[in-house]
Amino acid sequence: NAGVTQTPKFRILKIGQSMTLQCTQDMNHNYMYWYRQDPGMGLKLIYYSVGAGITDKGEVPNGYNVSRSTTEDFPLRLELAAPSQTSVYFCASRDRAGEAIQYFGAGTRLSVL
Amino acid sequence: AQSVTQLGSHVSVSEGALVLLRCNYSSSVPPYLFWYVQYPNQGLQLLLKYTTGATLVKGINGFEAEFKKSETSFHLTKPSAHMSDAAEYFCAVSEGGNDYKLSFGAGTTVTVRA
Repeated sequence: NAGVTQTPKFRILKIGQSMTLQCTQDMNHNYMYWYRQDPGMGLKLIYYSVGAGITDKGEVPNGYNVSRSTTEDFPLRLELAAPSQTSVYFCASRDRAGEAIQYFGAGTRLSVL
Repeated sequence: AQSVTQLGSHVSVSEGALVLLRCNYSSSVPPYLFWYVQYPNQGLQLLLKYTTGATLVKGINGFEAEFKKSETSFHLTKPSAHMSDAAEYFCAVSEGGNDYKLSFGAGTTVTVRA
């Protein structure tokens, strides 16, 4: 029962570097989401996808890109890392049916120095 | 558009005492309401949800919450706190639709005193 798997768990980047945060789910869920969590701010939606080939912006998309080529994978790309992107990133997924429950991965803790 | 307000960023309770976490929301349509818990260095885990039907919902680990439409509230309670309840708790709202996006409150950190 893997659920939603995120890699890496931790990463330190230098300003201007790029990286991809990986997210994979094995529940055949159509919907996938990326959030960032900052202290005292709750979770903010970055991007989401309602199915393979379909993505849309959330509340805080600037500085990020996503793609959804398969149902299972929803990578998040940081092209030019900035200190403001220091955060904990969570990926989530949900089924098309059901009661809107989102299932979360364990998170990626990213520091940009 | 919806918004979620959690009153109190930190709550400290004694072991065995009542836990009460407050959540108020604004929504233009009848919402779906959720409480999630986050233990240190872990992802979010669903505690309970309200979608339709009975307004008092029971979740895991002895928690329950009541949807009060007139007060636009969805407060979380547990009659007797346990040391293992120490965590951060998030209230979330969805207006449904095709994407079921969630809006989260800022979170409430619960500490339990022995």
